[in-house]
Amino acid sequence: DTAVSQTPKYLVTQMGNDKSIKCEQNLGHDTMYWYKQDSKKFLKIMFSYNNKELIINETVPNRFSPKSPDKAHLNLHINSLELGDSAVYFCASSLSPAKNIQYFGAGTRLSVL
Amino acid sequence: QKEVEQDPGPLSVPEGAIVSLNCTYSNSAFQYFMWYRQYSRKGPELLMYTYSSGNKEDGRFTAQVDKSSKYISLFIRDSQPSDSATYLCAMSVNDYKLSFGAGTTVTVRA
Repeated sequence: DTAVSQTPKYLVTQMGNDKSIKCEQNLGHDTMYWYKQDSKKFLKIMFSYNNKELIINETVPNRFSPKSPDKAHLNLHINSLELGDSAVYFCASSLSPAKNIQYFGAGTRLSVL
Repeated sequence: QKEVEQDPGPLSVPEGAIVSLNCTYSNSAFQYFMWYRQYSRKGPELLMYTYSSGNKEDGRFTAQVDKSSKYISLFIRDSQPSDSATYLCAMSVNDYKLSFGAGTTVTVRA
């Protein structure tokens, strides 16, 4: 059973398109995150939700919009994709902010052509 | 200065050697210290975590935290080729953010 699962695993699309990435966790955690990992492997936090409420919104273009329908799901919608959006996007979850031990999904590799 | 400093390597060792990885940090409020392993084209996998100072051992892996020196270490004993990966340190105060190191790429040669 995969604890944090993301779909799709790979996403290849043209500039200007809109795309979504889905994330689900079955760990019973309250907090979920989206990270971007660039070509130099550095992980950068984008968003965090706790119990469906947005907690962290790092300096991310408003073309990126997270949505949390319930605390087990956190989706990421990206409008008007740009070349610089090409990266690997990881979803993660943790029990709570107080115990911030995060578990990651396998990642979505986005290529914008 | 970055909040968490980690030498990106690369680090290459022969099979059976001890791998020694470390990170330094500047925020004395950090309380949770984690090590993740990331294989190529995979997600970060939590290896170990430590709360506050001290040592923790799990099989071939030992994590150490020295809060007085703001320094954490991960040791891998009897290293195997399957240990070849990027190792990321991460740390957290009691809030939502994890501060990551840049990751150290390790190759264990058979």
